[in-house]
Amino acid sequence: NAGVMQNPRHLVRRRGQEARLRCSPMKGHSHVYWYRQLPEEGLKFMVYLQKENIIDESGMPKERFSAEFPKEGPSILRIQQVVRGDSAAYFCASSSNSPLHFGNGTRLTVT
Amino acid sequence: QKEVEQNSGPLSVPEGAIASLNCTYSDRVSQSFFWYRQYSGKSPELIMSIYSNGDKEDGRFTAQLNKASQYVSLLIRDSQPSDSATYLCAVRPPTNDYKLSFGAGTTVTVRA
Repeated sequence: NAGVMQNPRHLVRRRGQEARLRCSPMKGHSHVYWYRQLPEEGLKFMVYLQKENIIDESGMPKERFSAEFPKEGPSILRIQQVVRGDSAAYFCASSSNSPLHFGNGTRLTVT
Repeated sequence: QKEVEQNSGPLSVPEGAIASLNCTYSDRVSQSFFWYRQYSGKSPELIMSIYSNGDKEDGRFTAQLNKASQYVSLLIRDSQPSDSATYLCAVRPPTNDYKLSFGAGTTVTVRA
């Protein structure tokens, strides 16, 4: 009974490169959420997706960030032209009309 | 004003003592409140949810909610070293039934 699966666990990118973070929700869950956690700060909502639909992206930066949840395959959070300020832990959560269940996160380091 | 604020910590308590964590929220009509525990380098894990005024107990954990004061707390009785973690308060605003607003967290260290 796998939980929310995220990969990679750690990702190092140089400034200007692209970062792709993947998330597979818990079995039976059709709702995916991405949160970002900066050091000494709480989790900040970024985006909420259902299959093939972005429901709420009010927490996403207007540029360089995008997310998708295709009909088949994991949800992808994509960050283009990364900058040092993008270094953070990115958590994916899933639910099915229930409290959120979080994955172990991807720790992105931009050098 | 932040949507959810927690006492800043860190909080250090001796083993066996009670750890008391506080959280206030700004949106008066919020209805759902959660406490998550996050070990260093790990994912947040839901440990308590509370929806009505009063106390809710689950093992050594007690959540207390006072909507009039916009205040929710978590008590950890008989604290154990394994309780050492960061505790995140989360509030679900009434306008979105899916989005949680998190506090910055309070780090608890239980001294053996």
